[in-house]
Amino acid sequence: SQQGEEDPQALSIQEGENATMNCSYKTSINNLQWYRQNSGRGLVHLILIRSNEREKHSGRLRVTLDTSKKSSSLLITASRAADTASYFCATVLTYKLSFGAGTTVTVRA
Amino acid sequence: NAGVTQTPKFQVLKTGQSMTLQCAQDMNHEYMSWYRQDPGMGLRLIHYSVGAGITDQGEVPNGYNVSRSTTEDFPLRLLSAAPSQTSVYFCASSYGQGLNTEAFFGQGTRLTVV
Repeated sequence: SQQGEEDPQALSIQEGENATMNCSYKTSINNLQWYRQNSGRGLVHLILIRSNEREKHSGRLRVTLDTSKKSSSLLITASRAADTASYFCATVLTYKLSFGAGTTVTVRA
Repeated sequence: NAGVTQTPKFQVLKTGQSMTLQCAQDMNHEYMSWYRQDPGMGLRLIHYSVGAGITDQGEVPNGYNVSRSTTEDFPLRLLSAAPSQTSVYFCASSYGQGLNTEAFFGQGTRLTVV
């Protein structure tokens, strides 16, 4: 079974708006990573947050991690058409990177 | 740098045929792994390797074999293809053994088994 579960499954927003997606997971982790996948392409790493960190920023991305609730969130601010993609959270425990089913984000011009 | 290179990009197999999906990385990464992605699902781990000569099973290893004779290459072998193995396969690599840094993914191999 998959470790992570993203919510919502799909999200449609207007260009310039913020997009927030959540990830819940089941077991303890070493770190949690977020990836983006454009249609038909490989995954691209966005950000990694370690289990002892609570928040991390990278450009227009903000990730939070709450290990007590076993949850994480990804916020994309001031979205652009190029942000249209699927976003996946992935948890790391020992040598395994386990992915959720993803959130499909559509940014309307 | 080329990063992670997967070949072929597309493949059609008949049920029962065998084939090898190739994966090569030029970043001297110790960790390499194979995933499959089915519609509406995230990636599921098939096999992984933390270094040359060391491999281990992931979440869905049945029907697949791997070997790691060099740091650069991590081929995935389908022993006797089945329609259930129709999927998109991704290879990934990461610096070090513990997945403490980002993983780099190849562009995928789209496999259809008829």
